[in-house]
Amino acid sequence: AQTVTQSQPEMSVQEAETVTLSCTYDTSESDYYLFWYKQPPSRQMILVIRQEAYKQQNATENRFSVNFQKAAKSFSLKISDSQLGDAAMYFCAYLEPGEKLTFGTGTRLTIIP
Amino acid sequence: DSGVTQTPKHLITATGQRVTLRCSPRSGDLSVYWYQQSLDQGLQFLIQYYNGEERAKGNILERFSAQQFPDLHSELNLSSLELGDSALYFCASSEPERGVRNTIYFGEGSWLTVV
Repeated sequence: AQTVTQSQPEMSVQEAETVTLSCTYDTSESDYYLFWYKQPPSRQMILVIRQEAYKQQNATENRFSVNFQKAAKSFSLKISDSQLGDAAMYFCAYLEPGEKLTFGTGTRLTIIP
Repeated sequence: DSGVTQTPKHLITATGQRVTLRCSPRSGDLSVYWYQQSLDQGLQFLIQYYNGEERAKGNILERFSAQQFPDLHSELNLSSLELGDSALYFCASSEPERGVRNTIYFGEGSWLTVV
């Protein structure tokens, strides 16, 4: 079974600084997708960014970008210019086409004003 | 707004009772997923439907059941409720007939409190 590991239960960053959240995964497949979801205190699950495994180029969405290392099975999220609204639990997730989404255990991000 | 609609948003019920949670997927999405998130817990996959058929089953208790109807909305039925069933239940959808595939969008969840 595929597994997703987030080794940082908690992280904190000063407002306006940059922070990187780590994620590793285990799979024998070559066709898959990776995601970062944000869960703020409201508990809503918000899609932050998506990466296709067949694409070498790292995905970017405004202040959010990923460092996708396929051979190392690593998928980190970089948040630039951190804002107070970025405070949330962040989940890394893995998907094979047609299959269920497998989540990591999450990283709680605190923004220090 | 993800386009996935869940009702009710909040529900309080007594042990032993039965409840039904409803989900309307994003317009055109064929696949529906149900996940459970207990307090301070990760997301546990319960079950997936694709175009009315069960596709995958996760850690779903026998007291729980689900179905997807011809109009693609889905219902999760929870019976003989126990205190430990208190959780946030998410519905998610994906696999549009047209458009970007392999991306799963979540509803806002249904908070279930069993007292």
